[in-house]
Amino acid sequence: GAVVSQHPSWVICKSGTSVKIECRSLDFQATTMFWYRQFPKQSLMLMATSNEGSKATYEQGVEKDKFLINHASLTLSTLTVTSAHPEDSSFYICSAYQTSGGNEQFFGPGTRLTVL
Amino acid sequence: TQLLEQSPQFLSIQEGENLTVYCNSSSVFSSLQWYRQEPGEGPVLLVTVVTGGEVKKLKRLTFQFGDARKDSSLHITAAQPGDTGLYLCAGYDYKLSFGAGTTVTVRA
Repeated sequence: GAVVSQHPSWVICKSGTSVKIECRSLDFQATTMFWYRQFPKQSLMLMATSNEGSKATYEQGVEKDKFLINHASLTLSTLTVTSAHPEDSSFYICSAYQTSGGNEQFFGPGTRLTVL
Repeated sequence: TQLLEQSPQFLSIQEGENLTVYCNSSSVFSSLQWYRQEPGEGPVLLVTVVTGGEVKKLKRLTFQFGDARKDSSLHITAAQPGDTGLYLCAGYDYKLSFGAGTTVTVRA
């Protein structure tokens, strides 16, 4: 099956710094990728839809200037958390659609962000 | 905003027992998906149901999609400790909307 990877798998940073998380589709091309956030014992909340070659679409309440998304190629989307604060600590998960069709999203393993 | 409600929130049963998890919405979805998520990992797709009234079986797991395509259930027969995890339903309508999840613990 299709594989999606994320890097890093976990990161600890100081408050005020920026952190970049990568999401890669390893064996397929994805024109659309999604970024989710999951707080402990809660469900996945969609943050934004990342489209290759165009601007990301953000969900209501998600600050686009704080969570920068770049989808520069058909296999890579990045999420940069700028000026991170402790409340940004969460589990960030990406998913990708195969360009060839179907509405199955393949999820990455997630990135645990801890902001001190 | 389309909301998906899952019940129960937590479920703890003995190995060999059966369990059912429910997913309800006030909105209609073009399809509904069930995922299982282990701690510290991304969710893994179990099944997609598309047609109202559809029933899908995956070994000991049985999935139903309501006639009106607003609700679904997941039934596990003879649960095993390996079934322990967070079960999430997600409705698809151009994007996925997840329910809050049901944490299932199967005790040996």
